[in-house]
Amino acid sequence: DAGVTQSPTHLIKTRGQQVTLRCSPKSGHDTVSWYQQALGQGPQFIFQYYEEEERQRGNFPDRFSGHQFPNYSSELNVNALLLGDSALYLCASSPTGTQKLFFGSGTQLSVL
Amino acid sequence: EDQVTQSPEALRLQEGESSSLNCSYTVSGLRGLFWYRQDPGKGPEFLFTLYSAGEEKEKERLKATLTKKESFLHITAPKPEDSATYLCAVQATSGTYKYIFGTGTRLKVLA
Repeated sequence: DAGVTQSPTHLIKTRGQQVTLRCSPKSGHDTVSWYQQALGQGPQFIFQYYEEEERQRGNFPDRFSGHQFPNYSSELNVNALLLGDSALYLCASSPTGTQKLFFGSGTQLSVL
Repeated sequence: EDQVTQSPEALRLQEGESSSLNCSYTVSGLRGLFWYRQDPGKGPEFLFTLYSAGEEKEKERLKATLTKKESFLHITAPKPEDSATYLCAVQATSGTYKYIFGTGTRLKVLA
C-alpha cells in the first residue's frame, strides 16, 4: 500500500516564477492538506481540500492556490515566487472522520 | 491565540540515558494533541494522539502523557536510531481542521 507521494522531490526556481507541486494521497484517503516547513521550524498550515473544495485556509497570501481532483490527488500552485517561499512543502492525507495525518516526504523548493 | 511551545530546542543524550521532551500548549478547546517524529529531509511520521488530560500512550521506548496545559514525551533507554526531531501539534475544537505545530525538539542520541 503506497503512502502519500509527492513530486517533484526537489525544485529550484527564480524569483517571480510560478511553481506547481503535486500530491497523491494514501489509498482510501479523501482529504488533503498542505503545509509549509521553513528550515528549523514546524510545519505551517496552508490549506485543506475535501470533496474538491478548499475547506480551510491558513494565513498565506492569494499567491498560494490549490486544487483537488476527483481521484483525490491535489496540486499546490505558488505564483510570483519570493525568496521567502523557499521551504519544504508537505502534503498530508487523512480519511474522512479521523484526525490523524499521514505526511509525504515533501518537495524541497529553493527560490534563487 | 492558539499556540504550541516545545522545549528544549535540542537535546543530546548518551545511549541508555532516559529523558523527557516538553510540549506546552494554549488552545481554545483541545480536540487532539499529536506527536510526530521527523527525520532529516523527510515528512513527519505519526507517533501518538492524545485526547484528554490523564491519557497516556506507549510505543517501544516512547511514552506520551497529557495534562490540561502540556504534554510530555518520555524516552526510556534511548538508542542512536531514536535520533530525530520530535514535533508536537494540537488541533482545536473550534471547527478547525488545521494542526498547529511547535518548532520541535532535535534529539541526538550518542552511542
